Amino acid sequence: EVQLVQSGAEVKKPGESLKISCEGGGYSFTNYWIAWVRQMPEKGLEWVGSIYPGDSHTTYSPSFQGQVTISADRSINTAYLQWHSLKASDTAMYYCAKRQCSGWYCTVGGFDSWGQGTLVTVSS
Amino acid sequence: ETVMTQSPATLSVSPGETGTLSCRASQSIGSKLAWYQQKPGQAPRLLIYGASVRATRVPDGFSGSGSGTEFTLTISSLQSEDFAVYYCQQYNDWPLTFGGGTKVEMK
Repeated sequence: EVQLVQSGAEVKKPGESLKISCEGGGYSFTNYWIAWVRQMPEKGLEWVGSIYPGDSHTTYSPSFQGQVTISADRSINTAYLQWHSLKASDTAMYYCAKRQCSGWYCTVGGFDSWGQGTLVTVSS
Repeated sequence: ETVMTQSPATLSVSPGETGTLSCRASQSIGSKLAWYQQKPGQAPRLLIYGASVRATRVPDGFSGSGSGTEFTLTISSLQSEDFAVYYCQQYNDWPLTFGGGTKVEMK
């Protein structure tokens, strides 16, 4: 069974750094794109960016480029989303999600498996 | 960037009735569209991909149609468990983009 298990909720102060994780299981982690998706309180879904764990190639939404860093550790089947200096406006639920099709040139299908979400709260 | 616009924002439907949700793309995306269902406190769930292909274990009461810029999700004979928020998402080009969502509520 495919599973994405995310790290637990975080409460941070503005200016602090943070790295949250998403561990994939039950499939070939290196062969499927993983995305991070933000959901601010009572709002819709926003694509943050994606990583192909096979070669750690990343692509970001222009809205998030330079604000976060996505990475992966193939040896432990885990993807990460990182901030170097958090802002109050980063307060949100963050989901990781696995792309449906395999391979770097995957162009078919949406996100067929999702993590449970990591709630990030940034407050002074 | 391809902007996805969903309508209506809220759809009030009685149980047993059919709900029709719309999604429009700002430019042609072919059939590279997915639909998701999200219930309160839960992660989204993939319902439809390729504009009209039901994902695994999705009941046949859910159907998708459309191509190019206009898409529809139809929910037949709405059950209590179908009241939720629905999002469309295009994967034709980067950046990947979602619509703003349609909340399907009980009338």
